[in-house]
Amino acid sequence: GQQVMQIPQYQHVQEGEDFTTYCNSSTTLSNIQWYKQRPGGHPVFLIQLVKSGEVKKQKRLTFQFGEAKKNSSLHITATQTTDVGTYFCAGDGSGNTGKLIFGQGTTLQVKP
Amino acid sequence: GAVVSQHPSWVICKSGTSVKIECRSLDFQATTMFWYRQFPKQSLMLMATSNEGSKATYEQGVEKDKFLINHASLTLSTLTVTSAHPEDSSFYICSGLAGVTDTQYFGPGTRLTVL
Repeated sequence: GQQVMQIPQYQHVQEGEDFTTYCNSSTTLSNIQWYKQRPGGHPVFLIQLVKSGEVKKQKRLTFQFGEAKKNSSLHITATQTTDVGTYFCAGDGSGNTGKLIFGQGTTLQVKP
Repeated sequence: GAVVSQHPSWVICKSGTSVKIECRSLDFQATTMFWYRQFPKQSLMLMATSNEGSKATYEQGVEKDKFLINHASLTLSTLTVTSAHPEDSSFYICSGLAGVTDTQYFGPGTRLTVL
């Protein structure tokens, strides 16, 4: 079945350093979404990428969707302690049915 | 953004009892709702897809007779964990979808502990 792999599993950075998490799907995706989950909380939607090669920015966050629509990345510039949490990518590979397959998540720790 | 609520937010029950979790879309009509389970430090695992007025579609490995899902209206879906056992202890999260190209809006989750 469809799988979405995400690396790294954990990342510890010093405040101010950059951070990147990568997501790879075993199949071509119709779209990919990114979520952030704080400890004890629920996933919060960050962004959706639909087009091949799409790049979107939200302040210090940059999201990319690969040309083949099978991989994606989230890059955070100059991390802050408020960026702490687990970042999940989730792919919709089933022809826009809305059903998402989540990656394993990358847990970010930021040392002040 | 759209709001999804879940009730209860946490529940502790004895082994063998059944627990019902409600998921409501508060300000939109959710044609589809999804139920996920998340164990500590793990990702969200899709359990089932629920469409209003029809039977839920369960993912492989999820027992439909154990996890009963009812999607009675466009704003309410319920998950009943029947004859709960300690291994069912987990964080159960629902999400609502207004349209197939829409994003999923997640509820705050229900933490189930089975003693």
